[in-house]
Amino acid sequence: ELKVEQNPLFLSMQEGKNYTIYCNYSTTSDRLYWYRQDPGKSLESLFVLLSNGAVKQEGRLMASLDTKARLSTLHITAAVHDLSATYFCAGEETSGSRLTFGEGTQLTVNP
Amino acid sequence: DGGITQSPKYLFRKEGQNVTLSCEQNLNHDAMYWYRQDPGQGLRLIYYSQIVNDFQKGDIAEGYSVSREKKESFPLTVTSAQKNPTAFYLCASRNRGRDEKLFFGSGTQLSVL
Repeated sequence: ELKVEQNPLFLSMQEGKNYTIYCNYSTTSDRLYWYRQDPGKSLESLFVLLSNGAVKQEGRLMASLDTKARLSTLHITAAVHDLSATYFCAGEETSGSRLTFGEGTQLTVNP
Repeated sequence: DGGITQSPKYLFRKEGQNVTLSCEQNLNHDAMYWYRQDPGQGLRLIYYSQIVNDFQKGDIAEGYSVSREKKESFPLTVTSAQKNPTAFYLCASRNRGRDEKLFFGSGTQLSVL
């Protein structure tokens, strides 16, 4: 059974700073997904990482995948207040039928 | 516009009552999913369906039931056997290929009266 762990669970940072959210998973999973959720809202897809070494960037966010280490990272560059949200990573079991989500990282960017 | 529609947005359940949450998609997706989210927590899978007339239990299926009679519809019934139903319920869909991301509906907040 695939298990997904994120850390930190809570992150408070100042505008303009950089930080990284980590996502570890327990068994073989070569698909990793990142989502964003605003309070009271649904989930919005950010990145889909499909292979070892995959790196994707969108604005101030960059995601990467290391399948050998069973680790994905979401790096935030020069944070702005609009990035305040909860970020989830999700791994996909090798059967390809379901995603397992981490607990989420609640990010607060302070002026 | 293509998308996933969940209704109602808010739902209240009386003790002993069954309630049904609606999920409709016009994305022509094969697979559909129901997740439960409790405050400050991640998403837990209730049921999922890969094709019409077939569905599988997720991690927390007890107290819930589903049907998949049409490709575009995947309703979730919260039965009276679910003793702690208060949560935010999210429906999602995607194509069957493993490279496909999940698209989510806007969610239903269920509360107990």
